[in-house]
Amino acid sequence: AQKVTQAQTEISVVEKEDVTLDCVYETRDTTYYLFWYKQPPSGELVFLIRRNSFDEQNEISGRYSWNFQKSTSSFNFTITASQVVDSAVYFCALSANYGQNFVFGPGTRLSVLP
Amino acid sequence: DTAVSQTPKYLVTQMGNDKSIKCEQNLGHDTMYWYKQDSKKFLKIMFSYNNKELIINETVPNRFSPKSPDKAHLNLHINSLELGDSAVYFCASSQGYSGGALVWNEQFFGPGTRLTVL
Repeated sequence: AQKVTQAQTEISVVEKEDVTLDCVYETRDTTYYLFWYKQPPSGELVFLIRRNSFDEQNEISGRYSWNFQKSTSSFNFTITASQVVDSAVYFCALSANYGQNFVFGPGTRLSVLP
Repeated sequence: DTAVSQTPKYLVTQMGNDKSIKCEQNLGHDTMYWYKQDSKKFLKIMFSYNNKELIINETVPNRFSPKSPDKAHLNLHINSLELGDSAVYFCASSQGYSGGALVWNEQFFGPGTRLTVL
């Protein structure tokens, strides 16, 4: 069975701090995809990144970076120099079994205070 | 130009009624999805269609029936609505299918439909 755990339910930081959102996944499949989504207070869902299980290279996109470590089954997300606009619920998700299973983590609510 | 649109945005109805939510995408994608988000923000995929064919059908009550008249549309019909169906329903699309497997490319989401069952 597939499972995604986001142990941090809520995080509060002050603007300009760095923050890391944790994601731990479980799957027996060797081929799978991992994702991060953002849901701001307005409610829409925004895709942030997709990473497949064969690509452990870390990714950086502006202030966002992702650290994928198969050894610990983790796919953590770091926001550098956080801003108030980063306040949102962030979801980690896993697709396995050749795409036939797709599961979200419970989400982490990030509040960035001015 | 809206990429993925859903109607209605809000839906308030009585228990036992039948209702539909419509979804349309103008991105030329071949795969569409329905997700449910409950009051605790838990997100769950319900269905996925590729070129009008059902490819993912998670464990949802059979009161929920997706219908894809063409690959740009995926509607969700719900029979005999129950209190527990109250949630936000998101439609999404992606260029998703390649060869023998679903390739989870970037998904574009609609704005959501907030369903309230009284």
